[in-house]
Amino acid sequence: AQKITQTQPGMFVQEKEAVTLDCTYDTSDQSYGLFWYKQPSSGEMIFLIYQGSYDEQNATEGRYSLNFQKARKSANLVISASQLGDSAMYFCAMRGGRDSKLIFGQGTTLQVKP
Amino acid sequence: EAGVAQSPRYKIIEKRQSVAFWCNPISGHATLYWYQQILGQGPKLLIQFQNNGVVDDSQLPKDRFSAERLKGVDSTLKIQPAKLEDSAVYLCASSFGQLNTEAFFGQGTRLTVV
Repeated sequence: AQKITQTQPGMFVQEKEAVTLDCTYDTSDQSYGLFWYKQPSSGEMIFLIYQGSYDEQNATEGRYSLNFQKARKSANLVISASQLGDSAMYFCAMRGGRDSKLIFGQGTTLQVKP
Repeated sequence: EAGVAQSPRYKIIEKRQSVAFWCNPISGHATLYWYQQILGQGPKLLIQFQNNGVVDDSQLPKDRFSAERLKGVDSTLKIQPAKLEDSAVYLCASSFGQLNTEAFFGQGTRLTVV
């Protein structure tokens, strides 16, 4: 069975600083994908970044990077130079298995302080 | 490109009433997901369709929830009868289905059961 765990219910970061949001996962699949989504207070789900299980390089998208440690089954999101607009809930998700089921973690609420 | 469309945006019903939600995925997306998101929690997968077939409904409370995806395009999710604990946002998402493709989400339907 697949499982995603996000252990930080809430995080604070100072504007312009970097922050790391933790995500660990569990799966018996060899091939899987890891995703991060942002959900502002408006409720929309915004895709941020993707990492494939066979990708050797860590994924980066602008100020977002994914610290992928396959042996530790972790896929932490790093946001550099935090902005006030980054305040939102962040979800780690995994797709895998024969059916490509997409499951989500519990989320981390990030608040950026001015 | 049009996004995932959902309706209605908001719905208030009394317990024991029935309600239906509609979702129109992005054109060409074979995979369609319905999620239940309770306030402050991560999205919980209720059902996943591949074209018009169900590939996972293990967390769908089948005694009261039903879903269909006729002709592999639009989908409806129904609750009958509703309970107070069904109050949540119901999110529809679609994707091409491969492991490395992100899912796109609709705006969601906020259901309040009173």
